[in-house]
Amino acid sequence: QQQVKQSPQSLIVQKGGISIINCAYENTAFDYFPWYQQFPGKGPALLIAIRPDVSEKKEGRFTISFNKSAKQFSLHIMDSQPGDSATYFCAACSPLNNDMRFGAGTRLTVKP
Amino acid sequence: ETGVTQSPTHLIKTRGQQVTLRCSSQSGHNTVSWYQQALGQGPQFIFQYYREEENGRGNFPPRFSGLQFPNYSSELNVNALELDDSALYLCASSLVGASGTQYFGPGTRLLVL
Repeated sequence: QQQVKQSPQSLIVQKGGISIINCAYENTAFDYFPWYQQFPGKGPALLIAIRPDVSEKKEGRFTISFNKSAKQFSLHIMDSQPGDSATYFCAACSPLNNDMRFGAGTRLTVKP
Repeated sequence: ETGVTQSPTHLIKTRGQQVTLRCSSQSGHNTVSWYQQALGQGPQFIFQYYREEENGRGNFPPRFSGLQFPNYSSELNVNALELDDSALYLCASSLVGASGTQYFGPGTRLLVL
C-alpha cells in the first residue's frame, strides 16, 4: 500500500545543523504534499505543505523542496534545535479518493 | 476553538471481540478521516467520512466500518478483532476538498490480546 518512500529512517544532527529528510512518490495523481511532525504520545501535527506547481516553500526554519519531474520532495530544517527532536512524516494526498499516503517516518534526534 | 479529541485513550480487547472508537472533530470541520498507525510506521488511511457518508477508503477489510453524525463527530468500529489490529488509531478532521490539511487527534491505543 505504501506509495511514498521516505529516508532516512533515523537521523542524528548537532544543534544548529541542517536536517534533511527525503521522500519519493509514485502516483502522479497526488497533488498535495504535507509534512507532519509527531511527538511521542501525540498525533501528527501539520508542519508545512506544498503543491506541485511550486518548487520550494519556506516557513521559518522549515523548507520544502519539490522536484516534480523526479517525483521527489524533501524537508530541510535549518538551525536544528533539540526541541525539533521528533518523528517526521512526509505525505502525499490524492483528490481521487481523498486518501493521504504517509511515508514510514524519520526519527530525528538533535543533540545539544 | 477546540481541537480534535478521541476516546478512549487506551483500550485492551481480546481476539474476536468488537471495538468502537470515538472522535470529535475540530470546530468548523465537516470531514473526518481515520488512520491506523502500527508501531514505528506511518499512519495508514482507513476511510474518510463527509456528510455522514463514506467518501473514500483505503485497503482495509469490511470489518472496519464507520459512522459520522450530524455534528460531524465520528465512530470507528472494528469487528472480529485480530492480533494485527493492535495499533494507534488516529482521527483527523478537515474541510471538504482540503484533505491534505488535516488536524489529528491524540489517538486511541488499541491492544488486542
